[in-house]
Amino acid sequence: AQSVTQPDIHITVSEGASLELRCNYSYGATPYLFWYVQSPGQGLQLLLKYFSGDTLVQGIKGFEAEFKRSQSSFNLRKPSVHWSDAAEYFCAVGAKNDYKLSFGAGTTVTVRA
Amino acid sequence: GAVVSQHPSWVICKSGTSVKIECRSLDFQATTMFWYRQFPKQSLMLMATSNEGSKATYEQGVEKDKFLINHASLTLSTLTVTSAHPEDSSFYICSANSGAFQYFGPGTRLTVT
Repeated sequence: AQSVTQPDIHITVSEGASLELRCNYSYGATPYLFWYVQSPGQGLQLLLKYFSGDTLVQGIKGFEAEFKRSQSSFNLRKPSVHWSDAAEYFCAVGAKNDYKLSFGAGTTVTVRA
Repeated sequence: GAVVSQHPSWVICKSGTSVKIECRSLDFQATTMFWYRQFPKQSLMLMATSNEGSKATYEQGVEKDKFLINHASLTLSTLTVTSAHPEDSSFYICSANSGAFQYFGPGTRLTVT
């Protein structure tokens, strides 16, 4: 069975500072990996995904993530955070055969001025 | 592109009544849609996979008779919460598959009084 762990429940970062959100997954084969962002009371927006190929993937809003098979990780990064990045971030792993997603518990990002 | 809508966005109902939530893919066809439930400050839990023209596949622990899913066309899936009770109050989110991607709706907030 696939599973995702997001070790950080809540992260506070200053505007303009860098951000890194951790994600570890458990899956028997090469997974599909995703990062989603959710603003309060809203649905999920896809930030980026990894299927295969280049292990450093670029996403929207200046985010990037790196797939590290040896560490079973897919950490999300942003070099300079904006106040609008305050939201809930979910890492998800999917199966290639049925596209069902398993989500991590989420990380709440607070941006201070 | 790849927009998913949900209706209603917010609904209050009395205990014992039934509520129907619609999920529509607006600009693409989706043979598979997923229904998730999200409690406050928690992650998304997959409830069921909805396949066009066939019966939905429910996750373990989800009551089939309580959460009725119908996927009547390639652009519409409905979730009916039957005989709703206060413990059914939650945020319900659907997603629709386009290729290997899931596109999420904005969610429906259900409050049962």
